[in-house]
Amino acid sequence: KAGVTQTPRYLIKTRGQQVTLSCSPISGHRSVSWYQQTPGQGLQFLFEYFSETQRNKGNFPGRFSGRQFSNSRSEMNVSTLELGDSALYLCASSPGFVRNTEAFFGQGTRLTVV
Amino acid sequence: SQQGEEDPQALSIQEGENATMNCSYKTSINNLQWYRQNSGRGLVHLILIRSNEREKHSGRLRVTLDTSKKSSSLLITASRAADTASYFCATVQETSGSRLTFGEGTQLTVNP
Repeated sequence: KAGVTQTPRYLIKTRGQQVTLSCSPISGHRSVSWYQQTPGQGLQFLFEYFSETQRNKGNFPGRFSGRQFSNSRSEMNVSTLELGDSALYLCASSPGFVRNTEAFFGQGTRLTVV
Repeated sequence: SQQGEEDPQALSIQEGENATMNCSYKTSINNLQWYRQNSGRGLVHLILIRSNEREKHSGRLRVTLDTSKKSSSLLITASRAADTASYFCATVQETSGSRLTFGEGTQLTVNP
């Protein structure tokens, strides 16, 4: 069974631009969550999607958004990029809600904002 | 905000020794999970322990949970150089829905 696939793996963007990151979960998994990892703040929850609906959202500004498609694939979008958005963005998939089961993470997308 | 605090922040041991990492948290939890991360790559799930469980084993890993002290420990026995990584505990809080709240992690270095 294929793991969680995130694309692209690396990205360099300029301040003010927007970016879209993609995540393909493990086949059959319906829950997709997104996390941001930075040296200063550590791993922080962005949002969780289940059956195309956002079920949970972390404390991030509205510039961070996401969606989930009917095939469970998910995208997250960051608009008006700031230098502080430079981070490793991790996607995790679960067969059900994470409160009941473990999460499987992708390799992440390394975003650098210059 | 970080729910957990991990102790120690860094641990350096020799191959064959045991490594113990501790995690403390602040609020009631549904479950606690341990993850490993190699050099800024993805997280690998190690063990999930539910709030009504006290101990779980998986191969060379042993996890304990003390809900009265709001703490957990991860023991890696007979460590190998390949165990070198960052280890994170993550809690699913009873009141926060289905999100993982991570600790700051312990950087384990196993010297050959």
